[in-house]
Amino acid sequence: SAVISQKPSRDICQRGTSLTIQCQVDSQVTMMFWYRQQPGQSLTLIATANQGSEATYESGFVIDKFPISRPNLTFSTLTVSNMSPEDSSIYLCSVGQGFSGANVLTFGAGSRLTVL
Amino acid sequence: KQEVTQIPAALSVPEGENLVLNCSFTDSAIYNLQWFRQDPGKGLTSLLLIQSSQREQTSGRLNASLDKSSGRSTLYIAASQPGDSATYLCAVRPSNYQLIWGAGTKLIIKP
Repeated sequence: SAVISQKPSRDICQRGTSLTIQCQVDSQVTMMFWYRQQPGQSLTLIATANQGSEATYESGFVIDKFPISRPNLTFSTLTVSNMSPEDSSIYLCSVGQGFSGANVLTFGAGSRLTVL
Repeated sequence: KQEVTQIPAALSVPEGENLVLNCSFTDSAIYNLQWFRQDPGKGLTSLLLIQSSQREQTSGRLNASLDKSSGRSTLYIAASQPGDSATYLCAVRPSNYQLIWGAGTKLIIKP
């Protein structure tokens, strides 16, 4: 399965600032996803990062708040903009492999953000 | 709307015991079901994937079953070890690419 490198692994941020999380995969993958895991809760899909086009956002998530880039098939970034304490979460990059690109999901180690 | 529930939310057992983690889902129209473990400070590790046409999958000491008609899956861990301590997540995939996640079961294996 693909190996995913995510950075930063953790950060403490000030309210109102923005932070960009990077996701690097060791092989070309069709499907890349960004998830959020708020404290004590399960994972929520933020968006699907599409190579060469705008990301597809899930209900409740918007591009202005979570801009995503995917310049090629091995790399993507997620920016958390104008952060507030409610954005304190673990953000996980995931790639889909197998039939239709999403049969098996592999996850990065996650980026734990704390917003003060 | 598909909902996934995992019971119990937390479980603590002595080392060596066999144990079962439960996952239930409300809509039987799923493409597959996947079990993950999540270790603190680390990402998610996929443990077992069961396709909708399958009844169970096995990997080492782990066995996952799937009963679509009743909307249930179980993860059986044999001869538990302290290294099995983690949060175990169940996720179902509907006909599209999105996964619907349970809240997880936090497992502690006491030496």
